[in-house]
Amino acid sequence: GAVVSQHPSRVICKSGTSVKIECRSLDFQATTMFWYRQFPKQSLMLMATSNEGSKATYEQGVEKDKFLINHASLTLSTLTVTSAHPEDSSFYICSARSGGDSYEQYFGPGTRLTVT
Amino acid sequence: GQNIDQPTEMTATEGAIVQINCTYQTSGFNGLFWYQQHAGEAPTFLSYNVLDGLEEKGRFSSFLSRSKGYSYLLLKELQMKDSASYLCAAMDSNYQLIWGAGTKLIIKP
Repeated sequence: GAVVSQHPSRVICKSGTSVKIECRSLDFQATTMFWYRQFPKQSLMLMATSNEGSKATYEQGVEKDKFLINHASLTLSTLTVTSAHPEDSSFYICSARSGGDSYEQYFGPGTRLTVT
Repeated sequence: GQNIDQPTEMTATEGAIVQINCTYQTSGFNGLFWYQQHAGEAPTFLSYNVLDGLEEKGRFSSFLSRSKGYSYLLLKELQMKDSASYLCAAMDSNYQLIWGAGTKLIIKP
């Protein structure tokens, strides 16, 4: 149980275009979802936290107008990278938490974004 | 400020035992997580400690000392597939995970 999927797994886009990444909890309801970014050989960097039905809370330094997060249902959250630039190339990982007494985060497989 | 410290890299031999240490400083504390991450993949959950002491789970064990702000992950009977990064993360008073930079573990035959 507790499976999280992400789509796409890899995407290459041209500079200036927008890319949408989907994160789904397949067998549980995710009250909270997290979006992380990870550059090579570095640790996870939390970008934002989203609760179903409410606006995402962004970490300091993360542009909310550039990284649009929507958590419209208990099983789906999306991250849209708008007007992507080469410096946005990274590994984007989502995780989900079911809430209640469980604080474990279940991670999706990640999305490798390359902006050319 | 909040901070997690763990070694950058460790090397061990197949079949041996290795201990990866982690010290943390957080605003409040609601538990300590260990995750394993293979290159190019997302992290996978290994353990969660919220009380002092040792939790054993197969070849992997995790220890926590809240008074010392210290945890370690112990891996026994090392296998080549254990080569990965091991991430320590402490949960603060807001139930947010504060992540360490990860320890890259290299297993040699």
